Amino acid sequence: RKEVEQDPGPFNVPEGATVAFNCTYSNSASQSFFWYRQDCRKEPKLLMSVYSSGNEDGRFTAQLNRASQYISLLIRDSKLSDSATYLCVVNIYSGNTPLVFGKGTRLSVIA
Amino acid sequence: NAGVTQTPKFRVLKTGQSMTLLCAQDMNHEYMYWYRQDPGMGLRLIHYSVGEGTTAKGEVPDGYNVSRLKKQNFLLGLESAAPSQTSVYFCASTRRDSGSEQYFGPGTRLTVT
Repeated sequence: RKEVEQDPGPFNVPEGATVAFNCTYSNSASQSFFWYRQDCRKEPKLLMSVYSSGNEDGRFTAQLNRASQYISLLIRDSKLSDSATYLCVVNIYSGNTPLVFGKGTRLSVIA
Repeated sequence: NAGVTQTPKFRVLKTGQSMTLLCAQDMNHEYMYWYRQDPGMGLRLIHYSVGEGTTAKGEVPDGYNVSRLKKQNFLLGLESAAPSQTSVYFCASTRRDSGSEQYFGPGTRLTVT
């Protein structure tokens, strides 16, 4: 099983749609979880951290299911500007070890 | 406050040539990382450093060397470039706590012919 797995997409959705991405991770002891966004030919940037209780930032909601070892990202009322690749990122191992990045899910929001 | 900067932004090398990529950060971060990103492969960790004078291998270290002589700089060297090293290289840094945000540089696009 890969350490962090994501559906590569692409997800093509119309403006205003709701879209959800899932990500699974291999190590049940993982402690830190994030979603990063990467625009075409740009560097990744932190979108939001994922907390055990779930968290929301405007149109974006992130949830963590430790029992099933998956993380989700929900985008409501999609905008053209949401078109990007979304990377699931996990601190797979304990201690100060590097984060592990998923390969990303590509989203295209269409007018 | 420039964040993380990378030099150069683009480079074309011939097979067998050498070069050094420079990463600099002005956020006083302890940890620094070098990744490569290829289509369909996602970000893969080459080497990383948890402090000045220390380095460690990542997932794909072969063909690369690194040095962290100063806290703010992390150098990635290619001693003898190969076409398989054609990629986009990203540097990143973070505070000591690995649960904190990683800040990325803008990337270096390297082509080896």
